[in-house]
Amino acid sequence: KNEVEQSPQNLTAQEGEFITINCSYSVGISALHWLQQHPGGGIVSLFMLSSGKKKHGRLIATINIQEKHSSLHITASHPRDSAVYICAVGEYGNKLVFGAGTILRVKS
Amino acid sequence: DTAVSQTPKYLVTQMGNDKSIKCEQNLGHDTMYWYKQDSKKFLKIMFSYNNKELIINETVPNRFSPKSPDKAHLNLHINSLELGDSAVYFCASSRDASGRASDTQYFGPGTRLTVL
Repeated sequence: KNEVEQSPQNLTAQEGEFITINCSYSVGISALHWLQQHPGGGIVSLFMLSSGKKKHGRLIATINIQEKHSSLHITASHPRDSAVYICAVGEYGNKLVFGAGTILRVKS
Repeated sequence: DTAVSQTPKYLVTQMGNDKSIKCEQNLGHDTMYWYKQDSKKFLKIMFSYNNKELIINETVPNRFSPKSPDKAHLNLHINSLELGDSAVYFCASSRDASGRASDTQYFGPGTRLTVL
């Protein structure tokens, strides 16, 4: 069992829908990261959080440390949001452990 | 201005060859990383360097040797390439002096290595 589990693995949504991607982890962490990998392959960091909630534009990330769970929400989804979303947990020693990713496709 | 750059972007080579991938960051970060993304798109850390010092070496074969000539550069040299080395290799950097992976990481564009 991977230390970081994401769900769903694949997600197809209609433009405008509210999207939630979930991440659960089984290890003690220093921080949790959400990354976006574009269809062209580039990886961008969306959020890094260790408690509570962060918002950037239409993206919201939350974390519950006690439950070892984080969610990434996308409001008013758009086809340009189509990408792979990756959850990663930061462990001591500068180490990131990655989930398998969620492939999101937003149809117009 | 590219924050984290890698060269080459594509690398096609024969089994048994030796090759290098170069990485440079102009963000003034102290920590640099190499990650491998396999054919199933799963990312895994290979190495982490902080101020030219090796911090993480994740049970990577000895054929892989990272070299950090200064804190802005982290190169990856691979000896005796094998078919299983085919993957996309990402370099990244962060401020992360704490050693807790609790700073934003900035990724290079990736190098797609194909071993024939």
